[in-house]
Amino acid sequence: DADVTQTPRNRITKTGKRIMLECSQTKGHDRMYWYRQDPGLGLRLIYYSFDVKDINKGEISDGYSVSRQAQAKFSLSLESAIPNQTALYFCATSEGVRNSPLHFGNGTRLTVT
Amino acid sequence: DAKTTQPNSMESNEEEPVHLPCNHSTISGTDYIHWYRQLPSQGPEYVIHGLTSNVNNRMASLAIAEDRKSSTLILHRATLRDAAVYYCILRAGNQFYFGTGTSLTVIP
Repeated sequence: DADVTQTPRNRITKTGKRIMLECSQTKGHDRMYWYRQDPGLGLRLIYYSFDVKDINKGEISDGYSVSRQAQAKFSLSLESAIPNQTALYFCATSEGVRNSPLHFGNGTRLTVT
Repeated sequence: DAKTTQPNSMESNEEEPVHLPCNHSTISGTDYIHWYRQLPSQGPEYVIHGLTSNVNNRMASLAIAEDRKSSTLILHRATLRDAAVYYCILRAGNQFYFGTGTSLTVIP
């Protein structure tokens, strides 16, 4: 089983719909992240969380919200989806140690029509 | 923000060494340099990281310039499975700053 699991893997939704992307991890890491990947733009940070009570905005948080339900679970919500939120979304985790690397899930491909 | 710049694409022949460059002229003294790679339909995968000294692991080597404004990821012997997008990233405090990556093509 994957250490970082994202569901669903693919999702098509309509403009204006609310949608939630889920991420769970079995690595026991405190830190969790949501990134968005668009062609030609690399990965951009949406939100990150260092523990259950800690939520921080990244560089592109507008139009998104998150919930850290437990150490192992971090959900990303689009309150009212719009077409320019069509992208590949990745969840990642890391330990709290200063130079620890990121561990990514396999992504959710979201299409907003 | 901490930023990196990489060539969009590179090619290498199979079984030859590959040197993937990265410029990070705005790096600060406490920023770590990380490298990840992304295979098709997968999330990025950690390759290597360093702060000031050159680093080696089973996947690759990382050469860091003395002024730390650039670094090079070295794949000692490219295989077809190394074809991927390689990202050079700065870890500044609690955040990782991704560039747009280098797409590596390995020619059989």
